[in-house]
Amino acid sequence: QLQLQESGPGLVKPSETLSLTCSVSGGSMSNISASWGWIRQPPGRGLVWIGNIYPSGTTFYNPSLKNRVTISLDTSKDQFSLKLTSVTAADTAVYFCAREAHGIADYWGQGTLVTVSS
Amino acid sequence: DIQMTQSPSSLSASVGDRVTITCRASQAISDYLAWFQQKPGKAPKSLIYAASSLQSGVPSRFSGSRSGTEFTLTISSLQPEDLATYYCQQYNTYPFTFGPGTQVDIK
Repeated sequence: QLQLQESGPGLVKPSETLSLTCSVSGGSMSNISASWGWIRQPPGRGLVWIGNIYPSGTTFYNPSLKNRVTISLDTSKDQFSLKLTSVTAADTAVYFCAREAHGIADYWGQGTLVTVSS
Repeated sequence: DIQMTQSPSSLSASVGDRVTITCRASQAISDYLAWFQQKPGKAPKSLIYAASSLQSGVPSRFSGSRSGTEFTLTISSLQPEDLATYYCQQYNTYPFTFGPGTQVDIK
């Protein structure tokens, strides 16, 4: 059974960089038809797709994040990562990582709350 | 971006009721539509993909259908454990986009 687990700081200061890692276990990250994605959910609000990365290294990002996002992959460590620069309070959210099989997010991490505050 | 809308935004129904949630896409997405269930404090769970295909392990009381750019999630007989917020998502075109959600309460 595939399992995903997010990790990283729960508190980030405004203007700094948010960095999260998703560790994958119970399966291979090399399946070319699967991508590895990040989704976030501001408190009390809906889901927002951030972006994803394929095993080839190809990435797709949500333009709403205005070039602040970078997703990277380290298959040797069974991990993928999210970096979001120049954060503001609007980036406070629960961040989820997920596997997307043919675009369908079928396995999710439990989510991690990141608060942006000084 | 493709905009997804959902109706109603919330509903309250009794155990055993048939519940229907509608999702509309702002442009054609073929069958690239998924439904998710999110219980309070939990990660979303995939229920349906390709508009009408049930994920493994999901109870058969959940079903999905499509008519053009309108998609429907039906719970044939609502159960207490179905208390949750339900989201649709299109995965036809990047960026993938979610609907705003439908909160389902049990009367």
